[in-house]
Amino acid sequence: AQKVTQAQTEISVVEKEDVTLDCVYETRDTTYYLFWYKQPPSGELVFLIRRNSFDEQNEISGRYSWNFQKSTSSFNFTITASQVVDSAVYFCALSPRANSGGYQKVTFGIGTKLQVIP
Amino acid sequence: KAGVTQTPRYLIKTRGQQVTLSCSPISGHRSVSWYQQTPGQGLQFLFEYFSETQRNKGNFPGRFSGRQFSNSRSEMNVSTLELGDSALYLCASSPDYPSDTDTQYFGPGTRLTVL
Repeated sequence: AQKVTQAQTEISVVEKEDVTLDCVYETRDTTYYLFWYKQPPSGELVFLIRRNSFDEQNEISGRYSWNFQKSTSSFNFTITASQVVDSAVYFCALSPRANSGGYQKVTFGIGTKLQVIP
Repeated sequence: KAGVTQTPRYLIKTRGQQVTLSCSPISGHRSVSWYQQTPGQGLQFLFEYFSETQRNKGNFPGRFSGRQFSNSRSEMNVSTLELGDSALYLCASSPDYPSDTDTQYFGPGTRLTVL
């Protein structure tokens, strides 16, 4: 069975602070994908990243960075110099990775609500 | 390029009725995935379609079904609606690149209320 734990339900930071959102997962699959999604107050889900379990390199995209550590089953997300527009609910997710491709049965965490205060 | 569109945006039905939701993916995208979001259960994966075939499926009862047409547009159907089916239904499309750099694009969702 798959499980994704986002222990932080709500976080508040002051603008320009750095913030890290934690994600811990459980899976018996040997190959899998990890995801992060953003859901701003408008409600539309935004795909941020998909990471293959083979690739443990950290990823950086602008102010966003992701730290994947297989040894601790964690896939944490850091926002550097946070901005008000970063206020949203962030979901971490996990799915098996199969040769048939596509988006397999995805398991989501409950989400972390981030509020960036100006 | 136009984004992912979902129709209708809002829908009110009564228990026992059935409903069909539509999703038009970004032009050229072949994969369409559906998700349900409720306050109680959170985000859950419903199914994914590719080339008119259901490629992956989540843990939902048979009342939830879908299909994909040759132009990649997809519909999902819920029969015999229950109060618990009230949710935001999200659709996502992706190019389905063979590499691991595939990206999903989400529509605005359809808000279904079952009375």
